[in-house]
Amino acid sequence: LAKTTQPISMDSYEGQEVNITCSHNNIATNDYITWYQQFPSQGPRFIIQGYKTKVTNEVASLFIPADRKSSTLSLPRVSLSDTAVYYCLVGDGGYSSASKIIFGSGTRLSIRP
Amino acid sequence: EAGVTQFPSHSVIEKGQTVTLRCDPISGHDNLYWYRRVMGKEIKFLLHFVKESKQDESGMPNNRFLAERTGGTYSTLKVQPAELEDSGVYFCASSQNRGGYNEQFFGPGTRLTVL
Repeated sequence: LAKTTQPISMDSYEGQEVNITCSHNNIATNDYITWYQQFPSQGPRFIIQGYKTKVTNEVASLFIPADRKSSTLSLPRVSLSDTAVYYCLVGDGGYSSASKIIFGSGTRLSIRP
Repeated sequence: EAGVTQFPSHSVIEKGQTVTLRCDPISGHDNLYWYRRVMGKEIKFLLHFVKESKQDESGMPNNRFLAERTGGTYSTLKVQPAELEDSGVYFCASSQNRGGYNEQFFGPGTRLTVL
């Protein structure tokens, strides 16, 4: 499984756009990029997944360059409730029925008023 | 629709005792996973059930851990005897088994403290 590297922590303020970049230099052709979010005292929660270019949903956008060696999770206009740990995962994206998730250390995002 | 539930939310036991954690997956989800995070470490995979069968138990740390999923519904994870290093948060997740992306839905976790 491709190893990922992301910042350990980030700080931002309410109303700002936050971009969290993840490096995955050894990503394989059939790997997807998936981001999970974990609030304190809760289990991780899927937020977005992509293969290439850009994906957007009601929570976030995911930007993936052509070489796919990195990806950027973009959170528009964050609020205090976006304070959480964000995990970047690279693998077959759950398409295999045997897709255990390999978590890294994640990025601890702190939003200030 | 109810999410994944786990019981208890917290458990404090002494070294050498036995603890059983329970997970109720989302109804209709064939896949059930157990993960844990011990203090200061990353969340680690323990095992994966497909219905009542163990698909992958490569992450189980040792034979003090026993997971069951009778009838393919809820699952239990028993630790016997518990050791200090077993302290941590145990997460359960479930997913459907269908074509396409199978998102895993996580429960809130059980915080286990072994004294």
